[in-house]
Amino acid sequence: EVQLVESGGGLVKPGGSLRLSCAASGFTFSTYSMNWVRQAPGKGLEWVSSISSSSNYNYYADSVKGRFTISRDNAKNSLYLQMNSLRAEDTAVYYCVREMVRGGIWGQGTLVTVSS
Amino acid sequence: QTVVTQEPSFSVSPGETVTLTCGLSSGSVSTSSYPSWYQQTPGQPPRTLIYNTNTRSSGVPDRFSGSILGNKAALTITGAQADDESDYYCVLYMGSGIWVFGGGTKLTVL
Repeated sequence: EVQLVESGGGLVKPGGSLRLSCAASGFTFSTYSMNWVRQAPGKGLEWVSSISSSSNYNYYADSVKGRFTISRDNAKNSLYLQMNSLRAEDTAVYYCVREMVRGGIWGQGTLVTVSS
Repeated sequence: QTVVTQEPSFSVSPGETVTLTCGLSSGSVSTSSYPSWYQQTPGQPPRTLIYNTNTRSSGVPDRFSGSILGNKAALTITGAQADDESDYYCVLYMGSGIWVFGGGTKLTVL
């Protein structure tokens, strides 16, 4: 069964940092690009970042550029999102999503709350 | 910045056909935008319905179909059912590795 499981969410103060992880199973992780997509409470979906299968390319939404870093470890079938300088507007459920062009698979999400 | 547009809400009666659209504030949607469609119910992650314009994801009923209509991507639900009542999101590829989601359409079936 194809599965994506996010972890690492929680409560963090403004200006703080958090690292999200996504564990993949049931498919050949190293052959797919991966994405992070977030959803603020009661709001729509927002694409955050993507990384190519071999980490050669990564891309970011303007809203997170310079603060967030996407990475992956194909040996561990894992995707990461390092989030620094967090703001209240970063509060959201963060989803790990397998390559959207090839039929995105979504994880259950992990909640990040930025509040003092 | 280009905005992806969707109808904020739509209402359909059971058994009717409804077409939701996904457009651009500037320009036209084409197959090169690789439009995808997602269905989301409250408290659940999104579920992929359609990707690459018109490819149905595994397990998705064939009453859901995707296409390009004019200058927009379209999701058509033929014979809407009560459990199709959900939020529907599209996403478009903008080039240079950037994806943009539409604001979503809240579909009511009554």
